[in-house]
Amino acid sequence: GAVVSQHPSRVICKSGTSVKIECRSLDFQATTMFWYRQFPKKSLMLMATSNEGSKATYEQGVEKDKFLINHASLTLSTLTVTSAHPEDSSFYICSARYQGLSAFFGQGTRLTVV
Amino acid sequence: KQEVTQIPAALSVPEGENLVLNCSFTDSAIYNLQWFRQDPGKGLTSLLLIQSSQREQTSGRLNASLDKSSGRSTLYIAASQPGDSATYLCAVLTRNAGGTSYGKLTFGQGTILTVHP
Repeated sequence: GAVVSQHPSRVICKSGTSVKIECRSLDFQATTMFWYRQFPKKSLMLMATSNEGSKATYEQGVEKDKFLINHASLTLSTLTVTSAHPEDSSFYICSARYQGLSAFFGQGTRLTVV
Repeated sequence: KQEVTQIPAALSVPEGENLVLNCSFTDSAIYNLQWFRQDPGKGLTSLLLIQSSQREQTSGRLNASLDKSSGRSTLYIAASQPGDSATYLCAVLTRNAGGTSYGKLTFGQGTILTVHP
């Protein structure tokens, strides 16, 4: 099946700094990738849809200046959490569509802001 | 707005039992429904995908059914094993508000499954 790789798997950063998370489709081209956030013991919440070569589409209530998304190539999307605060600590997961409508997910990134 | 509900929220069974996880959704205009497994602190692993035109899919000890008109899906796990312990998530792909081609995946809250040896 299709492989989506997410890096890093864990990151700890100081409050006020920025953190970049990468999402790569290893064996297929993904014109569209998705970024989710998951709170403890909760389901996944879609944050934004990343479109290759154009601006990301953010869900209602998600700050686009806070969560910067770049999809510069058909195999790479990045999420940058800017000026991170403890309340941004969470599990972030990316996914990519394969062969139209199948979703494959990265391994997730555990972000801890101290 | 699509809403997905999973029942039960948690399930604990002895090894060997057959079990059923339930998923319901409010908007029947879906492209497909997908069942995932999530281990603690990990990403999602796709288990089964059922297209809107299909009634069921099978993979090994797993069988998923879909009744689109009633907005329901079930995941049947046969002869459960301790290694099946994980959170199981159901998600439906629906057309997003803009009607663009990529759709939107909406997740249920998940069922936490524990299988005792």
